[in-house]
Amino acid sequence: DAGITQSPRHKVTETGTPVTLRCHQTENHRYMYWYRQDPGHGLRLIHYSYGVKDTDKGEVSDGYSVSRSKTEDFLLTLESATSSQTSVYFCAIEGPPYGYTFGSGTRLTVV
Amino acid sequence: QQQVKQSPQSLIVQKGGISIINCAYENTAFDYFPWYQQFPGKGPALLIAIRPDVSEKKEGRFTISFNKSAKQFSLHIMDSQPGDSATYFCAAKTGANNLFFGTGTRLTVIP
Repeated sequence: DAGITQSPRHKVTETGTPVTLRCHQTENHRYMYWYRQDPGHGLRLIHYSYGVKDTDKGEVSDGYSVSRSKTEDFLLTLESATSSQTSVYFCAIEGPPYGYTFGSGTRLTVV
Repeated sequence: QQQVKQSPQSLIVQKGGISIINCAYENTAFDYFPWYQQFPGKGPALLIAIRPDVSEKKEGRFTISFNKSAKQFSLHIMDSQPGDSATYFCAAKTGANNLFFGTGTRLTVIP
């Protein structure tokens, strides 16, 4: 997707291990978001950022933390992965100029 | 609690037919109602959006109908094509930064 990339695209990890997902944008957008997508739930907001070092919780933030040290990068960390965090994770930026632009997603499996 | 309720969960339509997906909400503070289209392995992509001051918006074969008093909105896909086969999500947003999604509708258009 133009201007926004997520890495890795796929990851398998063991329960209890830390995991960091990366979102990188080239559009210089102020707002960035992390969503998770699960069958029967649609997409649910985990955390979002409204600037460097400015972040806030979404509706399903438990077990997740985020950091944004540069405008272009927004990191999502699972401190100690659990099986309930098996999901597809999407990063999004707000724009252009309305609506959200989503990355291609990271499929995370916790075994 | 699901902020935006979407139906049906899945839909099968003949080529050339009309696809209709419905959504309902309760929060009257919502002021932006987008629809997203998602193909397998991809992130959701903005399809069409409406604000509550209009009752209908049309872009090509895609139309949003909005009923503010009933707190419902729907997506109509005219002359449905096999290439329209995808998952569709309605969403709603307030001035605050969270886009609430419906649970999705998997549309299959059969030739």
